[in-house]
Amino acid sequence: AQSVTQLGSHVSVSEGALVLLRCNYSSSVPPYLFWYVQYPNQGLQLLLKYTTGATLVKGINGFEAEFKKSETSFHLTKPSAHMSDAAEYFCAVWGDGGSQGNLIFGKGTKLSVKP
Amino acid sequence: DTGVSQDPRHKITKRGQNVTFRCDPISEHNRLYWYRQTLGQGPEFLTYFQNEAQLEKSRLLSDRFSAERPKGSFSTLEIQRTEQGDSAMYLCASSSGLAGGLEQFFGPGTRLTVL
Repeated sequence: AQSVTQLGSHVSVSEGALVLLRCNYSSSVPPYLFWYVQYPNQGLQLLLKYTTGATLVKGINGFEAEFKKSETSFHLTKPSAHMSDAAEYFCAVWGDGGSQGNLIFGKGTKLSVKP
Repeated sequence: DTGVSQDPRHKITKRGQNVTFRCDPISEHNRLYWYRQTLGQGPEFLTYFQNEAQLEKSRLLSDRFSAERPKGSFSTLEIQRTEQGDSAMYLCASSSGLAGGLEQFFGPGTRLTVL
């Protein structure tokens, strides 16, 4: 069965600093991986996804993530944090084992950005 | 395109009452998903429709839960005899059949509080 582990339930950075949110996955098949962002009282918005091909994936709002098979990781980064990046971020893997396509989410990492 | 909508946004009910939530997916999306999100957790898959057919149900979906998508458009999720443990955010998502429906678009959610 697949799973996702997000290291750190809370991450705090200063405005302009590097953002690094960690995600490790477990999958018996080549994974499809996703990062979603959730602002307070809103639904989830897709930031980026990895399916096949290039392992460095660029998403919206300046975020990117790198798929590293050897490390079973898919960490999310942004070179310079902005106040508007404060939100909760979820890493997810596409379900396998015959599943028609439900996402399996991590527990989330809440990002705070200090002025 | 108005995105995925959910109604109501908030619902407060007493234990033992029945509640029903509605989800309107993005038009032309034939796949519809329901997830549940409790405090401090990522969304957890409940069930999935392709058109009007309910193709997959999670073990989380007890006998008190039922979901329908009668005409392959909007969907309803009903919880009978609500319990305090049902308090959560219920998220709906939709996707097209293209590329395996990998990108799921989420609605704003219905927050249920069971007193």
